[in-house]
Amino acid sequence: GQNIDQPTEMTATEGAIVQINCTYQTSGFNGLFWYQQHAGEAPTFLSYNVLDGLEEKGRFSSFLSRSKGYSYLLLKELQMKDSASYLCAVTESNYQLIWGAGTKLIIKP
Amino acid sequence: IAGITQAPTSQILAAGRRMTLRCTQDMRHNAMYWYRQDLGLGLRLIHYSNTAGTTGKGEVPDGYSVSRANTDDFPLTLASAVPSQTSVYFCASSDETGGPGEQFFGPGTRLTVL
Repeated sequence: GQNIDQPTEMTATEGAIVQINCTYQTSGFNGLFWYQQHAGEAPTFLSYNVLDGLEEKGRFSSFLSRSKGYSYLLLKELQMKDSASYLCAVTESNYQLIWGAGTKLIIKP
Repeated sequence: IAGITQAPTSQILAAGRRMTLRCTQDMRHNAMYWYRQDLGLGLRLIHYSNTAGTTGKGEVPDGYSVSRANTDDFPLTLASAVPSQTSVYFCASSDETGGPGEQFFGPGTRLTVL
């Protein structure tokens, strides 16, 4: 079957680093997306990985291992505005996205 | 407008009533999607359209219908609303011409069915 797993909630301290993991089992694979969603708002795009390895974009990095069905989102120098839910989604061969339930990240001062 | 818009922002609806949620994008994206988002669950695809004139069923299509008469508009209709359709509905669009594309989301419609 198709399944995407992420931790439900994580807590971190302002200025620190946090890693949000995502594991997936899908029938096809055409890449993995990470989105950020602030409470009451729409999801917004953070990153897209289709090849194995690390993609860095400012304070945010995303890693993919296709052989392990595993990805993580790394957030550095955490700021209070990073408090949000982080959604992992896998795109299958038909380009439709299968979404994880999201990880709620709480940043404490 | 720039991007993707949805209307209404929120709605309270009596069970059994018909309701159409509107979605319009001005990015000339070929693909459009309707999702519902419920607490504790991931975004679930209701219906999608890969190009104007074509639509397809997603994971949870029952009780919903869509049309794609042109590139910009992708309305979602609930023929006879039921309380289990209480949810936040997001419309999204993407350019899939060269492969999977980033999906841009509208602000959402919060629907309550009583």
